[in-house]
Amino acid sequence: NAGVTQTPKFQVLKTGQSMTLQCAQDMNHNSMYWYRQDPGMGLRLIYYSASEGTTDKGEVPNGYNVSRLNKREFSLRLESAAPSQTSVYFCASSELSGLSTGELFFGEGSRLTVL
Amino acid sequence: KQEVTQIPAALSVPEGENLVLNCSFTDSAIYNLQWFRQDPGKGLTSLLLIQSSQREQTSGRLNASLDKSSGRSTLYIAASQPGDSATYLCAVKGGSEKLVFGKGMKLTVNP
Repeated sequence: NAGVTQTPKFQVLKTGQSMTLQCAQDMNHNSMYWYRQDPGMGLRLIYYSASEGTTDKGEVPNGYNVSRLNKREFSLRLESAAPSQTSVYFCASSELSGLSTGELFFGEGSRLTVL
Repeated sequence: KQEVTQIPAALSVPEGENLVLNCSFTDSAIYNLQWFRQDPGKGLTSLLLIQSSQREQTSGRLNASLDKSSGRSTLYIAASQPGDSATYLCAVKGGSEKLVFGKGMKLTVNP
């Protein structure tokens, strides 16, 4: 039972480069999320998708784009990476969408360094 | 705006102690509260989820309580073990899709 799978686990980029973080879940969850975790800042929501075909901004969306490719997959794209985007990125999914979101399941994280 | 606070930020205890971890939130209009565990370099693992209509949830040596009116939740860990060493986070879900996370409490249980 894989749960939530993120790739890559580690990535080093130069300023201005682009990249896409991939996330897939095999739990048939409706809702998927992208968070970033920084020391002293806690977890902050970047974007979320309540269902296939919909996406919404979270707390810190600037510099990122997302695609909900299908019910399983939710990708996060950095178009022009900046050092401020050095962080650990987590994808998560939950069982229900809307106001009755249930338990949240996380991937192992993707550690991104932007030089 | 919902704010979630976990105090203290770190705790070091000897093995065997019963522990109480605290989580407070500013807006009592919540739908659920979730406790997570995070090991170094790993993702978050869900421990317990309490719906707003519930007062507590139990799983093994863990018991979480919720008092919406006072904006508080506690996670009780019975007979702590070195394997319980990790960072514990609470998260509150209000009237939107997002969960608001506390910054976590780093627990060290010494043998």
